[in-house]
Amino acid sequence: DAGVIQSPRHEVTEMGQEVTLRCKPISGHDYLFWYRQTMMRGLELLIYFNNNVPIDDSGMPEDRFSAKMPNASFSTLKIQPSEPRDSAVYFCATKSAGNSPLHFGNGTRLTVT
Amino acid sequence: SQQGEEDPQALSIQEGENATMNCSYKTSINNLQWYRQNSGRGLVHLILIRSNEREKHSGRLRVTLDTSKKSSSLLITASRAADTASYFCATDAVETSGSRLTFGEGTQLTVNP
Repeated sequence: DAGVIQSPRHEVTEMGQEVTLRCKPISGHDYLFWYRQTMMRGLELLIYFNNNVPIDDSGMPEDRFSAKMPNASFSTLKIQPSEPRDSAVYFCATKSAGNSPLHFGNGTRLTVT
Repeated sequence: SQQGEEDPQALSIQEGENATMNCSYKTSINNLQWYRQNSGRGLVHLILIRSNEREKHSGRLRVTLDTSKKSSSLLITASRAADTASYFCATDAVETSGSRLTFGEGTQLTVNP
């Protein structure tokens, strides 16, 4: 298995533009998580899905952020409109169930100028 | 407040020495996990210790858990330059039972050759 695949690896955009981050989970993993990592706040959970259904989106900063999981093979995190304070590394992570460990992608480094 | 706080924030040692990192948390947990992050990469799972376990070993890693003090430690023995990375503890809280992890702020370990 290729692991969790995220794209793009780097994204540089201007304030006000729409940004879409993509994640392909490990096949058979029922849980998918979106995390954001910054120096100031560390790793923050934004939202997670179980069997493609959003379970907890309480970490999503505001209405500018949205996430979807249309099927078991794909998830997106969208920011519209983007702001400079959204600059961070965004990670997608998946796991099979229960107490199994998380498998992380290599992240998308987002820079909003 | 942050669940899972590592101590120290940064640690610099010589190759061959042992490295000890500590983690404190606030709520009741099902398990505690340690992850490693190399620069520019996603987190990688190292070891999981359940709440009814006190100590666990995996290769050069030794993890202890004291639920009465709500603390854990990660010991890396005979460190190598390749162990240079950030190390994070993550807690699986009873209240969210198996569905999500909360990460600490991490310890940056530097092993000098």
